[in-house]
Amino acid sequence: GAVVSQHPSWVICKSGTSVKIECRSLDFQATTMFWYRQFPKQSLMLMATSNEGSKATYEQGVEKDKFLINHASLTLSTLTVTSAHPEDSSFYICSATTGAGANVLTFGAGSRLTVL
Amino acid sequence: DAKTTQPTSMDCAEGRAANLPCNHSTISGNEYVYWYRQIHSQGPQYIIHGLKNNETNEMASLIITEDRKSSTLILPHATLRDTAVYYCIVANAGNNRKLIWGLGTSLAVNP
Repeated sequence: GAVVSQHPSWVICKSGTSVKIECRSLDFQATTMFWYRQFPKQSLMLMATSNEGSKATYEQGVEKDKFLINHASLTLSTLTVTSAHPEDSSFYICSATTGAGANVLTFGAGSRLTVL
Repeated sequence: DAKTTQPTSMDCAEGRAANLPCNHSTISGNEYVYWYRQIHSQGPQYIIHGLKNNETNEMASLIITEDRKSSTLILPHATLRDTAVYYCIVANAGNNRKLIWGLGTSLAVNP
């Protein structure tokens, strides 16, 4: 079946630094990838939709200059949290779809970011 | 996209069937019902989806009422590894693949 690999699975960084999270579709080409953020005991919140070769579409309230998304190929999308602060500490999850079929998404395992 | 209503939590004995309900009374004709689950500290996992007819796969069965206003996800023989948060989502299968995630049902499978 479709597999999405997300790396790193957890990261700890100092306030003010930038962190990059990678999302790869291992055995299929992902025309669209999604990035979510999930705080403890809360549901997934969509941050942005990333289409290969074009600019990401950000959800309302998500700062595009702070959360840089690049989708340079059909198998890789990256999320960079720039100038991270403690309030950015969260569980970040990506998902990908081939574009075929009815909204079936394959998710990565998530990346736990802790900003000190 | 239509909203869904699910119980906050449920318990199930290991080996028994787990029946997770979902209400989606405002579902429109072209919206599918999707079920995903999220095991603690992992990304969500797709389970099953359907439009009108009941569906079954290796993981679960999905029963959709005739009026499509509610559905039930059935895990026929729950195991401890099925302990997770289960999300019921209704969404159009068109170009917009944005799914609206609620809080789901936290299922605890007990030994």
